[in-house]
Amino acid sequence: GAVVSQHPSRVICKSGTSVKIECRSLDFQATTMFWYRQFPKKSLMLMATSNEGSKATYEQGVEKDKFLINHASLTLSTLTVTSAHPEDSSFYICSARDPGQGAGEQYFGPGTRLTVT
Amino acid sequence: QQQVKQSPQSLIVQKGGISIINCAYENTAFDYFPWYQQFPGKGPALLIAIRPDVSEKKEGRFTISFNKSAKQFSLHIMDSQPGDSATYFCAASSSGYALNFGKGTSLLVTP
Repeated sequence: GAVVSQHPSRVICKSGTSVKIECRSLDFQATTMFWYRQFPKKSLMLMATSNEGSKATYEQGVEKDKFLINHASLTLSTLTVTSAHPEDSSFYICSARDPGQGAGEQYFGPGTRLTVT
Repeated sequence: QQQVKQSPQSLIVQKGGISIINCAYENTAFDYFPWYQQFPGKGPALLIAIRPDVSEKKEGRFTISFNKSAKQFSLHIMDSQPGDSATYFCAASSSGYALNFGKGTSLLVTP
């Protein structure tokens, strides 16, 4: 299957600071990437859909000014958590859709554990 | 509103047994139904997926059964092994759009 990487895998930051998480498709070009948030023992919650070269589409209730998404190339999307607060602590996971696969399968990155102190 | 309903929430199966997880959906526009396996602290890994034009797909010990008229699909894990212990998510989407996930099933396979 296709490979999606995320960096960093873990990050600890202080309240009020910003953190950038990178999502890369390593062996395919992803016109569409998705960002999810997952709380412990819970399902994945879609935050936004990121399309290369255009503005991200945010799900209802997700603050676009707080969670900045940039999809500058066909292999890289970034999520920046601005002015982080402890309630932003969570597991953030990206996925990328491989248009080369007929059904457009989505492949997930390994996730980034964000802890805001 | 949960667009994909998954059951059971947790499941305990003995080694060698069959694990069965069920999902149901309402949106008839969904045309892609994957299953993901997730280990603690890791991202979900695509396990197997099916489209509505077939009723069953098998890959190794994993089988998806799909019932279009009932709007249900299920994952069967044959000869379950302790290494299969993980959380399993079903999902559904319309071509190219974001996945709608079930709430997950925590599977424990006992030795």
